[in-house]
Amino acid sequence: DAGVIQSPRHEVTEMGQEVTLRCKPISGHDYLFWYRQTMMRGLELLIYFNNNVPIDDSGMPEDRFSAKMPNASFSTLKIQPSEPRDSAVYFCASSLDTLKVAFFGQGTRLTVV
Amino acid sequence: AQTVTQSQPEMSVQEAETVTLSCTYDTSESNYYLFWYKQPPSRQMILVIRQEAYKQQNATENRFSVNFQKAAKSFSLKISDSQLGDTAMYFCAFMKYGGATNKLIFGTGTLLAVQP
Repeated sequence: DAGVIQSPRHEVTEMGQEVTLRCKPISGHDYLFWYRQTMMRGLELLIYFNNNVPIDDSGMPEDRFSAKMPNASFSTLKIQPSEPRDSAVYFCASSLDTLKVAFFGQGTRLTVV
Repeated sequence: AQTVTQSQPEMSVQEAETVTLSCTYDTSESNYYLFWYKQPPSRQMILVIRQEAYKQQNATENRFSVNFQKAAKSFSLKISDSQLGDTAMYFCAFMKYGGATNKLIFGTGTLLAVQP
């Protein structure tokens, strides 16, 4: 398996623009997570899905953030409108409940100018 | 709520030496999993080792081993025969057992530099 695939790897956008980050989890995994990594706050869980259903979105910072998982092989994290403080590395991870191990994508480095 | 604490922001070790990274956690759960992840400069998060709380035996993966002290809520990582490629940020993480949740709670990380 190719592992968790995220796109794009780097994104630079202007403040106020919409940003969409994409993730393809490992086939067969039933959990999908979105994490954000910053120097100030470390690794924060934003939201996670189980069998495509959002379970806990309490980590989503504001209404500007939204995430969807329309099917088992694809998820998006959208920021609209983006702000400079959203600049961070965003990771997607997936896991299989029976394995209890999360595998991470390579992350998307988002820069909002 | 669970918390994970890594009290060593940075550490340095000479190549071929042994180094131990510390991690403590706080939880009221009796069953859980603990992990060490490595994040090299490439930024990829790589699983190093996993420990099930119900297992008394410490997990080992080649040069990496843990010292799991459940009563003390301590979970340290020992790296033997350190190599230059071990230079990375190391994160300790906690996962609750059971329920519809596999979410990881991370510590703040320890930056390890292996010196030639």
